Amino acid sequence: SYELTQPPSVSVSPGQTARITCSGDELPKKYAYWYQQKSGQAPVLVISEDTKRPSGIPERFSGSSSGTLATLTISGAQVEDEGDYYCYSTDSSDDEKGVFGGGTKLTVL
Amino acid sequence: EVQLVQSGGGLAQPGGSLRLSCAASGFNFFTYAMNWVRQAPGKGLEWVSVVGVTGGNTHYADSVKGRFTVSRDNSKNTLFLQMTNLRLDDTAVYYCAKGVGPISRFLDHWGQGALVTVSS
Repeated sequence: SYELTQPPSVSVSPGQTARITCSGDELPKKYAYWYQQKSGQAPVLVISEDTKRPSGIPERFSGSSSGTLATLTISGAQVEDEGDYYCYSTDSSDDEKGVFGGGTKLTVL
Repeated sequence: EVQLVQSGGGLAQPGGSLRLSCAASGFNFFTYAMNWVRQAPGKGLEWVSVVGVTGGNTHYADSVKGRFTVSRDNSKNTLFLQMTNLRLDDTAVYYCAKGVGPISRFLDHWGQGALVTVSS
């Protein structure tokens, strides 16, 4: 089955740039979406269609994709950005199943 | 403002059944696909199912195929997930989520989640 691979954890100091990667063989053909999940809360969309930032998401969040690698970048990470981040895409099966990466725990301290 | 308010969930025995509901407001419900995603305790997110705008186009993760049924009532702006033959590893928080298009698995808004516990 199709897999998206993320690093388990990323740690930065406040104000530094955090980069979270997501690797998947279908990413050249499929969009990557990114979700932020804080403890005990529902996920929130932070990046859609590889690079688009939904309204209300701070400008420090950006996305990029090249080949089989999608990247979420948080420029000038803040303490409130701590949480789990998940990349998401779909496979290329006939019924096009949704697939999440394993998640990356971002620590800002 | 898009709102997805979930109800249902609770405790079920192995082999039992439960039904989840998700009441939608703030958007034209009948023009968007709706999905279910779950999260086992301490684990990551797992996509479960999608239903298209008419309710006739449904797809499932292999882990729930044949046991779960997704449906929708466009007259009541409500999404459902009927879960049968529940197993211990179905224990999770279940989220409903709005698709970005009429059959899309890509998600832009989420419900608050409903805990399903399968235990004897």
